[in-house]
Amino acid sequence: GQQLNQSPQSMFIQEGEDVSMNCTSSSIFNTWLWYKQEPGEGPVLLIALYKAGELTSNGRLTAQFGITRKDSFLNISASIPSDVGIYFCAGQLSSSNTGKLIFGQGTTLQVKP
Amino acid sequence: DTGVSQDPRHKITKRGQNVTFRCDPISEHNRLYWYRQTLGQGPEFLTYFQNEAQLEKSRLLSDRFSAERPKGSFSTLEIQRTEQGDSAMYLCASSSGQGDTEAFFGQGTRLTVV
Repeated sequence: GQQLNQSPQSMFIQEGEDVSMNCTSSSIFNTWLWYKQEPGEGPVLLIALYKAGELTSNGRLTAQFGITRKDSFLNISASIPSDVGIYFCAGQLSSSNTGKLIFGQGTTLQVKP
Repeated sequence: DTGVSQDPRHKITKRGQNVTFRCDPISEHNRLYWYRQTLGQGPEFLTYFQNEAQLEKSRLLSDRFSAERPKGSFSTLEIQRTEQGDSAMYLCASSSGQGDTEAFFGQGTRLTVV
C-alpha cells in the first residue's frame, strides 16, 4: 500500500531545544495533517495543511506543506516535558476526496528536563 | 458533545470468540472512519462511512470483519472468530466532510486476543 516515510524515528532532546521532523512520499497529497499520540490514547490533531507551500502555526508548533506536495515538516520550538509523545504525519492522496488518511510510522519524542 | 467516544476501551477475548466495538462520532459529522493500529506503527485505514453508506473498505478488512452505521450516527465494528493477529488498537475517527479533511479520533479500543 501507500507509504509515508517519517523521520527521524525517535528523538531524545533537552528541554528548551527545538525539534524538527518530516514526512516524505513518492505520491502527491492534497492534505497533510499532524497528530500527537500519547500512550493508550487516540491521536490528537495538531495542525492541518491544505495548500502547497502553506505554513501554519499552533502555539510553539509550526508545520509546512511542501512545494512538491510530496512532503511536510513539523517544527516544535522551545520543547517542554509535556511535548513527550509520538508524532504522526498523515496525508490524503490527491486522487482522493474521501478523507481517508495514510499515516507515517511516527516520531517518538522524549524530552529531558 | 466532547468528541469521538469509543466503547469499550479495552477488550480481552479468547481466540475464536466474536467481539463488537462501538463508536459514537462527533455530532453532525457525516464521515466516520475505522483504523487499526499495531504497536510501533501508524494507524491503518480499515473502512469509511458517509452517513449510513459504507463507501470504502481496505483489503485489511477480511471477511471476518464487518462494520455498520445503521442510522448514520454511531457505528459498530464486529470481528468474528478472532485470531491472535487481530490484537491491536482499533481507532474510530469522524470528520464533517464539508470541504476539509480534519479527522478527530476517539481514544480507541485496545483488543487483546489470547
